[in-house]
Amino acid sequence: KAGVTQTPRYLIKTRGQQVTLSCSPISGHRSVSWYQQTPGQGLQFLFEYFSETQRNKGNFPGRFSGRQFSNSRSEMNVSTLELGDSALYLCASSYTSGGSSYNEQFFGPGTRLTVL
Amino acid sequence: KQEVTQIPAALSVPEGENLVLNCSFTDSAIYNLQWFRQDPGKGLTSLLLIQSSQREQTSGRLNASLDKSSGRSTLYIAASQPGDSATYLCAVTGSNYQLIWGAGTKLIIKP
Repeated sequence: KAGVTQTPRYLIKTRGQQVTLSCSPISGHRSVSWYQQTPGQGLQFLFEYFSETQRNKGNFPGRFSGRQFSNSRSEMNVSTLELGDSALYLCASSYTSGGSSYNEQFFGPGTRLTVL
Repeated sequence: KQEVTQIPAALSVPEGENLVLNCSFTDSAIYNLQWFRQDPGKGLTSLLLIQSSQREQTSGRLNASLDKSSGRSTLYIAASQPGDSATYLCAVTGSNYQLIWGAGTKLIIKP
């Protein structure tokens, strides 16, 4: 079974631009979560989608948004990029049942975003 | 607010030794605890998942324990190898279903 895939793997953008990252979960997984990892803040939860609905949201500004499609693939968008948005963005998928996402999460390789 | 702490931040041991990594959390109301491994510049690999009702999980040379009442988990690595060198992270899933992460322990196994 194929793992979680993320595209692109690397991105370089300039301040003020916007960016869209993509995540394809493991087949059969309906929950997709996004995380930001930086050397200073470590791993921080961005949001979680389940069946095309945002079920959970971390403490990030509205410039960070996401969506999930009917095939469970998810995209994350960051508008008006700032230097501090440079990070490794990781997505994870999990199989959920009963609407509660407490199952094991499987991570993709991440997208390395550099903002100049 | 849930906080997760990992001690030590870094650890260097000779090959072949058994070692223990520690993880503590402040709120015992968790659904599960997961241990992950991260190689430099790479994503995360799930090692072990312990549900809140479980006490331990084992996979090969790895054994993870969970003591919810004291807010502690340990990851035991037997007969360490240079390939075990990586950063090990623990994370708990709380009542809001979010993963709350520790800062990680950077492990170096010297040949």
